[in-house]
Amino acid sequence: DAGVTQSPTHLIKTRGQHVTLRCSPISGHKSVSWYQQVLGQGPQFIFQYYEKEERGRGNFPDRFSARQFPNYSSELNVNALLLGDSALYLCASSRLLSNQPQHFGDGTRLSIL
Amino acid sequence: LAKTTQPISMDSYEGQEVNITCSHNNIATNDYITWYQQFPSQGPRFIIQGYKTKVTNEVASLFIPADRKSSTLSLPRVSLSDTAVYYCLVGDRAAGNKLTFGGGTRVLVKP
Repeated sequence: DAGVTQSPTHLIKTRGQHVTLRCSPISGHKSVSWYQQVLGQGPQFIFQYYEKEERGRGNFPDRFSARQFPNYSSELNVNALLLGDSALYLCASSRLLSNQPQHFGDGTRLSIL
Repeated sequence: LAKTTQPISMDSYEGQEVNITCSHNNIATNDYITWYQQFPSQGPRFIIQGYKTKVTNEVASLFIPADRKSSTLSLPRVSLSDTAVYYCLVGDRAAGNKLTFGGGTRVLVKP
């Protein structure tokens, strides 16, 4: 079975632009979470979706938004990009909502110039 | 969520056993302890999870004392490919999928 897939793998944007990152969970997984990992730090929780509903939100500004589709795939949108948004964006999926071990994709490396 | 404290880095040699201790003094009754491994430019990978005493799987063992205020991840006979960052997380399994990562422990395995 395919693991969690994320696209694109790398992306370069300039300040003020917006970006959409995509995630396909493992087949049968209904929960998707998004994390931001700045170089040298651990991942920080951004959003959690389950059955197309937002179930958790981390301490990120309103420029960050997300959604989950009927096929359980998900998009993370970031508006008005800042230099500080440069990071590895990770998507994780799990079968249920509970805090079972999550399966991570290899992320999208976003660079802001 | 209980805060965790783990060493910033550790060095080891091929074939040795590596033990990483994580402190979680404020762990709650419903909290589980989970360890993830992360290689550069990859997402974290689940290693092991436990609640008390000892848990062992094909890649690691997790030792949890009776007071559960700390835990130790043991990697037997490490190889160069075990060089990675290891994260200790503590949380309620029923509280949703929000994972709180600390800074992790950078393990360097030398030849």
